[in-house]
Amino acid sequence: GENVEQHPSTLSVQEGDSAVIKCTYSDSASNYFPWYKQELGKGPQLIIDIRSNVGEKKDQRIAVTLNKTAKHFSLHITETQPEDSAVYFCAARRRAQKLVFGQGTRLTINP
Amino acid sequence: NAGVTQTPKFQVLKTGQSMTLQCAQDMNHEYMSWYRQDPGMGLRLIHYSVGAGITDQGEVPNGYNVSRSTTEDFPLRLLSAAPSQTSVYFCASSYSRLVRDEKLFFGSGTQLSVL
Repeated sequence: GENVEQHPSTLSVQEGDSAVIKCTYSDSASNYFPWYKQELGKGPQLIIDIRSNVGEKKDQRIAVTLNKTAKHFSLHITETQPEDSAVYFCAARRRAQKLVFGQGTRLTINP
Repeated sequence: NAGVTQTPKFQVLKTGQSMTLQCAQDMNHEYMSWYRQDPGMGLRLIHYSVGAGITDQGEVPNGYNVSRSTTEDFPLRLLSAAPSQTSVYFCASSYSRLVRDEKLFFGSGTQLSVL
């Protein structure tokens, strides 16, 4: 089955800098890749997702890139702000299978 | 809309006790699911449902039961609690059985400790 590895487990960046979180997946047939943000004491919230027929997707300061050959996808956050501090989860899924989540990355934005 | 509502927020059980975690959604979503979140392990699927009367097992179903008598409610039952079930539990839903776990809406979680 699918296996998703997420790195790094913790990330600390200065406010205004960029943050990058990377995930690798094992199943070359996976075609759906979402990213969730979990703020303290809350449930995860979908922030962006991408399908395998697209190489990159942007939404304001957030972007996701997908490299199907290398089987990895990344979350890019530009111009980071204090409210970006949270735990971020990636996930991957092939058609008709279940979503498999990465281990999570705790992102801290330092003022 | 309240979204996905979970109760209780916190619970402490003794080994062997049983309890039910409640989950309700007011978005008329067909798909509902339960996940557990453990440190360093991400979110793991326990059980899911694609509609009233239909449930199926996820990755880690042992020790848990579910039922779906209405579209709105999807309770998770722990039959005989064990320390290994200490975790944070999340209920999640999505609008269609066709897309299932795409674009999930999560509740705020139940933190469960089993002593």
